[in-house]
Amino acid sequence: KQEVTQIPAALSVPEGENLVLNCSFTDSAIYNLQWFRQDPGKGLTSLLLIQSSQREQTSGRLNASLDKSSGRSTLYIAASQPGDSATYLCAVDNMDSNYQLIWGAGTKLIIKP
Amino acid sequence: EAGVTQSPTHLIKTRGQQVTLRCSPISGHTSVYWYQQALGLGLQFLLWYDEGEERNRGNFPPRFSGRQFPNYSSELNVNALELEDSALYLCASTYGRTSYEQYFGPGTRLTVT
Repeated sequence: KQEVTQIPAALSVPEGENLVLNCSFTDSAIYNLQWFRQDPGKGLTSLLLIQSSQREQTSGRLNASLDKSSGRSTLYIAASQPGDSATYLCAVDNMDSNYQLIWGAGTKLIIKP
Repeated sequence: EAGVTQSPTHLIKTRGQQVTLRCSPISGHTSVYWYQQALGLGLQFLLWYDEGEERNRGNFPPRFSGRQFPNYSSELNVNALELEDSALYLCASTYGRTSYEQYFGPGTRLTVT
């Protein structure tokens, strides 16, 4: 059974720092992995989707990598800003889950001005 | 292009009542997913509809049900509401029954008293 873990559960850093959020999964048989952002009480915003055949995806200051063999993905945020404060969730699309995403519990990120 | 829309935004119901939540997917998207996000918990998959049919269901009791209409919009019905049904209900849509990026609506906040 696929399990997705995100460490740390919470992270607080000063503005301007580069930071890395981690996502690990136990079953490498995935179609893709997706990173989302959720602001308090709001819906989710898709940030990056990495197909299983890809190693990384970039969008602006965000870079997501995928290492299927080790069951790991990282989300790199460059030059963090207070507006980046949110909860970041990763989810994997498992090959045997009938298109049901398996979710991590999220990392709550606070960027201090 | 309009994103995924959900209605209502907020809802307060009492135990034992019934509620209907609505979701309109992005134009051209045929799949709709429903998730429950209770306070302090991760996203829990509820239901997946594609082309008008239920394709997958999460571990929720039968009092959670729904349907998808010919225009691909969807309803989530919850009967005999319980206090623990209080949560943010999120809807997402994708294009077709394949592993594509999920786009989320803003959610409906349901409070059961």
